[in-house]
Amino acid sequence: AQSVTQLDSQVPVFEEAPVELRCNYSSSVSVYLFWYVQYPNQGLQLLLKYLSGSTLVKGINGFEAEFNKSQTSFHLRKPSVHISDTAEYFCAVSLRTGANNLFFGTGTRLTVIP
Amino acid sequence: DTEVTQTPKHLVMGMTNKKSLKCEQHMGHRAMYWYKQKAKKPPELMFVYSYEKLSINESVPSRFSPECPNSSLLNLHLHALQPEDSALYLCASSQERKYSGNTIYFGEGSWLTVV
Repeated sequence: AQSVTQLDSQVPVFEEAPVELRCNYSSSVSVYLFWYVQYPNQGLQLLLKYLSGSTLVKGINGFEAEFNKSQTSFHLRKPSVHISDTAEYFCAVSLRTGANNLFFGTGTRLTVIP
Repeated sequence: DTEVTQTPKHLVMGMTNKKSLKCEQHMGHRAMYWYKQKAKKPPELMFVYSYEKLSINESVPSRFSPECPNSSLLNLHLHALQPEDSALYLCASSQERKYSGNTIYFGEGSWLTVV
C-alpha cells in the first residue's frame, strides 16, 4: 500500500518570503513523485515531477523540489513567493511498477499575504 | 492553458434530470480519466479509459455512466443524482497507462450542483 502525507494543511507566508511545503510518502515499491497546483476555481496543473536522475527538480513558476530517498520526502520550495502563488498544492505519487495512476496527499493551502 | 477541455463549466441539475459532462483532448493521448473532487479534498479517481476501453471503475454508483466515443472524447452521463454528488468533476488524460511516469493533464473541471 502507499500513502502520501502533507502535514501542513495551511501555510500562510508573506509576499517575497521563501516557502517550503512538505510532502512525505510511504510505499512498498519505488514511486514517481509529482507536485500539482490548483488555483482557485480551476483544475490541476503540473508543477514538477521526479522520475530519475538528479534529486533536485526544477519546475514552473520558480518552484523546485528535492527528492530524499532516505527520508521518503519530496518537499516543494520557492525562494520568493508572489501573491499569484496563492493556491492549493497537492503532492502525489505513482507506482513505478504499476499503471499510470496518481495517489494524492490531502493538499496544502498556500496563502501569500501582501 | 490546459489542453483538456471540459464542458459545461457549471451545471445545476435536479435529482430526476439526465445530463452529461463532456471532455475533449487533442494531444493524441490514449488514456482518459474522470476524477471527483469535493471542497478542500484531493481528487478521487472514478473511471479510467485506456485505448477507448474502460479499464478502471472505482466502485462508482451506476447513476454515473462513462462513455468514450473515440480517443479524443470522454463523456460522463448523469442520472438520478443525489445532492451529495455535488462536486467538481475533473477530466484528465495521459499518453497511455502502461508507463506510470507519464504526466496526467487535467482540465479545468465542471462544477456540478445537484438540487
